[in-house]
Amino acid sequence: EAQVTQNPRYLITVTGKKLTVTCSQNMNHEYMSWYRQDPGLGLRQIYYSMNVEVTDKGDVPEGYKVSRKEKRNFPLILESPSPNQTSLYFCASSWGGVDNEQFFGPGTRLTVL
Amino acid sequence: SQQGEEDPQALSIQEGENATMNCSYKTSINNLQWYRQNSGRGLVHLILIRSNEREKHSGRLRVTLDTSKKSSSLLITASRAADTASYFCATATNTGNQFYFGTGTSLTVIP
Repeated sequence: EAQVTQNPRYLITVTGKKLTVTCSQNMNHEYMSWYRQDPGLGLRQIYYSMNVEVTDKGDVPEGYKVSRKEKRNFPLILESPSPNQTSLYFCASSWGGVDNEQFFGPGTRLTVL
Repeated sequence: SQQGEEDPQALSIQEGENATMNCSYKTSINNLQWYRQNSGRGLVHLILIRSNEREKHSGRLRVTLDTSKKSSSLLITASRAADTASYFCATATNTGNQFYFGTGTSLTVIP
């Protein structure tokens, strides 16, 4: 089954404790992206990747890191999480970049205390 | 910000009625996409309309695009309770590789 998976689905952590949210897709998509969703603000793009070893900042990259060492994986790293990063995070992938539909993962609900 | 805006923010209708939601955006686009999100879950792609298209249909969905007004509308005909969800438009500009989502319309279909 074609899908985007994220782990963990739920995470409660404390300020400053490094964490990684994994994202994997099995559709051989070149384009992968991370979003955060906050009430009243819709989805905002954090980082995106056009292909392996190519990553670019989105609208809200501060406090986040990503890597794209393999085509299928695109982890999101929070080196020192803060309470304002409490949010619902989505990973997405697409074939051919922004020219086609994105497939979304189920989301990771992160709470930073 | 190039983020789009949906209008209305919330819409409540009776089952069987049509639902129309609108999206406005700010810059020239490559394409515009509509997504649906059930509460707290991942987004699901509904339809994509390219900048050189004016109207597109998919089942009970009809999307229009007016690039001169930088706006799009999504019409859901003969709505069902299962259509209750949030609907988002997303634009891809013709000068970059980013997606910009609107703030969403929350649709409630009353059985």
